Amino acid sequence: SQQGEEDPQALSIQEGENATMNCSYKTSINNLQWYRQNSGRGLVHLILIRSNEREKHSGRLRVTLDTSKKSSSLLITASRAADTASYFCATDGGNNNDMRFGAGTRLTVKP
Amino acid sequence: DTAVSQTPKYLVTQMGNDKSIKCEQNLGHDTMYWYKQDSKKFLKIMFSYNNKELIINETVPNRFSPKSPDKAHLNLHINSLELGDSAVYFCASSHWATRDEQYFGPGTRLTVT
Repeated sequence: SQQGEEDPQALSIQEGENATMNCSYKTSINNLQWYRQNSGRGLVHLILIRSNEREKHSGRLRVTLDTSKKSSSLLITASRAADTASYFCATDGGNNNDMRFGAGTRLTVKP
Repeated sequence: DTAVSQTPKYLVTQMGNDKSIKCEQNLGHDTMYWYKQDSKKFLKIMFSYNNKELIINETVPNRFSPKSPDKAHLNLHINSLELGDSAVYFCASSHWATRDEQYFGPGTRLTVT
């Protein structure tokens, strides 16, 4: 079954603006990861945040994790047209190393 | 220097046929996975496999079977294909112990007619 749910399902912004995507999950986790998928391509790992971390940065990406609310957010600052893609959160909570993905947020950055 | 590769990229076949999708990784990972992404972009784990155990998602029909000739390869065999099997199938790999990021292949778009 799906674990994460991304919100919003689709987001359209202008280049230079910030994009915020949210993810909620249901069970306890070891870590939460964000992936990006360009149209017709495989997923590419962006950032991982562990359950004992609250915030993490990587370049223009900022991820927060609130385990009490079972939610995470991905912020992309100063967006570029090349950021146009689908963004998925994935949770790893079990011993079998399975990751559970949400349905993704489709981000469109207009030049 | 492709990390995770899949073949074929596209596969069109008729109902009832048996087909295979191949996956290879050159990252030295000990765990490989198969995912199915449907038309609504939901990505669902089908199998995870390392040299110790195969873990099967219970919702996967037994028409689907992974075959691993060695640690670098995990092929997906599908018997008696059905229309509902049409999807994009992704292979991925990672290190079991560190449980960090997974590296995905480019996907195989399967169309069953």
